Amino acid sequence: GAVVSQHPSWVICKSGTSVKIECRSLDFQATTMFWYRQFPKQSLMLMATSNEGSKATYEQGVEKDKFLINHASLTLSTLTVTSAHPEDSSFYICSARAVRGGAYEQYFGPGTRLTVT
Amino acid sequence: GQNIDQPTEMTATEGAIVQINCTYQTSGFNGLFWYQQHAGEAPTFLSYNVLDGLEEKGRFSSFLSRSKGYSYLLLKELQMKDSASYLCAHSGAGSYQLTFGKGTKLSVIP
Repeated sequence: GAVVSQHPSWVICKSGTSVKIECRSLDFQATTMFWYRQFPKQSLMLMATSNEGSKATYEQGVEKDKFLINHASLTLSTLTVTSAHPEDSSFYICSARAVRGGAYEQYFGPGTRLTVT
Repeated sequence: GQNIDQPTEMTATEGAIVQINCTYQTSGFNGLFWYQQHAGEAPTFLSYNVLDGLEEKGRFSSFLSRSKGYSYLLLKELQMKDSASYLCAHSGAGSYQLTFGKGTKLSVIP
């Protein structure tokens, strides 16, 4: 249980185009999902917290108009990188919060590697 | 993860025991997590501590001291497949957001 999927697993796009990444909780409902970005040899940096049915909460320094997040259902959150630039090339990982045994845990998707040329 | 410190790299021998330490500073606290991350992959959940003490789960154990802002992950009977980065993360009070350390890259050698 507690499986999170991401699609696509990798994508190459041209500078100036937009890319949508999907995050799905496959066997549980997630009212809260998180989007992280990880550059090579660096830690995961939280970009935003996505709550079902409401606007996402963005971390300081993350442009909400550039990284559009939609959490339309309890099992799906999407991240759209608009007008992508080469510096947006990174590993994007989502996670979903699930309650197990009275405690909450975060389960991560497999990640999406974005390369902007 | 500026307020979470863990060693950058460690090397240990197959079959041995290794302890990865993590210290943290936070104004609120709602749990300490350890994740394993293999190169090019997303993190996988290992353990969660919210109370002081040792939590054992198979070959992996995690310890927490809230008063000291200190945790460690103990890996026993090391296997080559344990070579990975180990991320320490904490969650603030009233928040489900995780703040990650930079990770400790563990290399297991024969």
